[in-house]
Amino acid sequence: GEDVEQSLFLSVREGDSSVINCTYTDSSSTYLYWYKQEPGAGLQLLTYIFSNMDMKQDQRLTVLLNKKDKHLSLRIADTQTGDSAIYFCAVSSKAAGNKLTFGGGTRVLVKP
Amino acid sequence: ETGVTQTPRHLVMGMTNKKSLKCEQHLGHNAMYWYKQSAKKPLELMFVYNFKEQTENNSVPSRFSPECPNSSHLFLHLHTLQPEDSALYLCASSQDFAATGDGYTFGSGTRLTVV
Repeated sequence: GEDVEQSLFLSVREGDSSVINCTYTDSSSTYLYWYKQEPGAGLQLLTYIFSNMDMKQDQRLTVLLNKKDKHLSLRIADTQTGDSAIYFCAVSSKAAGNKLTFGGGTRVLVKP
Repeated sequence: ETGVTQTPRHLVMGMTNKKSLKCEQHLGHNAMYWYKQSAKKPLELMFVYNFKEQTENNSVPSRFSPECPNSSHLFLHLHTLQPEDSALYLCASSQDFAATGDGYTFGSGTRLTVV
């Protein structure tokens, strides 16, 4: 089945850019998502990219997709303390019946 | 109320108790999911329902019993739990199994502590 991997932790200074990386295994992936989870809350959909796109920008967020390498990244520009959270990558693939497979999450800590 | 609502937000129960978690969505979605989130395994898919029918049970112990009376409501009945069952239980919903840009919509979760 699909396997989605993320690094565990990222520390970044306020005002800098953050880049969170994700790798996946299933080449039949269609939609790829980034979710944010703040303490004590559920997962909130931040953005998504369709597999026929290489890049998607939404305000401070930029998603890059490298299908050849099966690599997805989320760049947060001008990172703020409110961006401290756990970020989950999720992939929808035909092999998994279009159900989402989530990565283990990357904990982002923004230091002032 | 819109979105996915889970109650209660926090629950403390003894190992011999019986309790239920409730999830309600007002999004007109047809698929609903239960996830367990703990430090050991960040997001474990437990059960999947589509049009009220259970389509997936990921080897979940029988002390967890789901119920989906209609497409808007999902319950997780708990009995004789173990301390290792302490976790955040998340409910999610989606339109159906066709992938879209909307993904899954999650509730805020129930923080369960088994004592």
